[in-house]
Amino acid sequence: GAGVSQTPSNKVTEKGKYVELRCDPISGHTALYWYRQSLGQGPEFLIYFQGTGAADDSGLPNDRFFAVRPEGSVSTLKIQRTERGDSAVYLCASSSLSSPDTQYFGPGTRLTVL
Amino acid sequence: AQSVTQLGSHVSVSEGALVLLRCNYSSSVPPYLFWYVQYPNQGLQLLLKYTTGATLVKGINGFEAEFKKSETSFHLTKPSAHMSDAAEYFCAVSGSNDYKLSFGAGTTVTVRA
Repeated sequence: GAGVSQTPSNKVTEKGKYVELRCDPISGHTALYWYRQSLGQGPEFLIYFQGTGAADDSGLPNDRFFAVRPEGSVSTLKIQRTERGDSAVYLCASSSLSSPDTQYFGPGTRLTVL
Repeated sequence: AQSVTQLGSHVSVSEGALVLLRCNYSSSVPPYLFWYVQYPNQGLQLLLKYTTGATLVKGINGFEAEFKKSETSFHLTKPSAHMSDAAEYFCAVSGSNDYKLSFGAGTTVTVRA
């Protein structure tokens, strides 16, 4: 079956602009995670959804970052007033109820803030 | 809280030689441990995981890892490297009922012909 998909694959924006990054999890997966991977580093946790609700948003760096999952499937990560330091690869992962410890990752969205 | 330290940001091995990637973890709860591989311009792919039970875990592509609680380690090995093993490898830890992952900084493996 289809894996986790993320769109766009690349996004270039200017400092101060608003961006939205989309994640389509594996069909039927109830849990969805967002991570951020800066150059030369491992991914860092941002936020976790179980169904429609954000169960843990402790990794969001500040209030410019927000994510939603209104129907319990697709999720959108929203970044307001982007800064150059937001440049990174944003990864999405999903997992199932039957195997909650195993996350399947999408290919990521590479965000570049000029 | 959990954290991971990967020793060595770059490892170079000859084709056919042993691959050994080191990972030490810190966790306040019984850990779940993972190794992921990332090929250029691709997403993370799970190689293997330890949750409970047997401490020697076998994964895909001939990799295995051993959970050693006394050493707080989860080192990854492969007896004989192939050119296709060239990639970046990440060790990660989570709790047993809080599955958000904490990753190490990664180890880039190059394989010499």
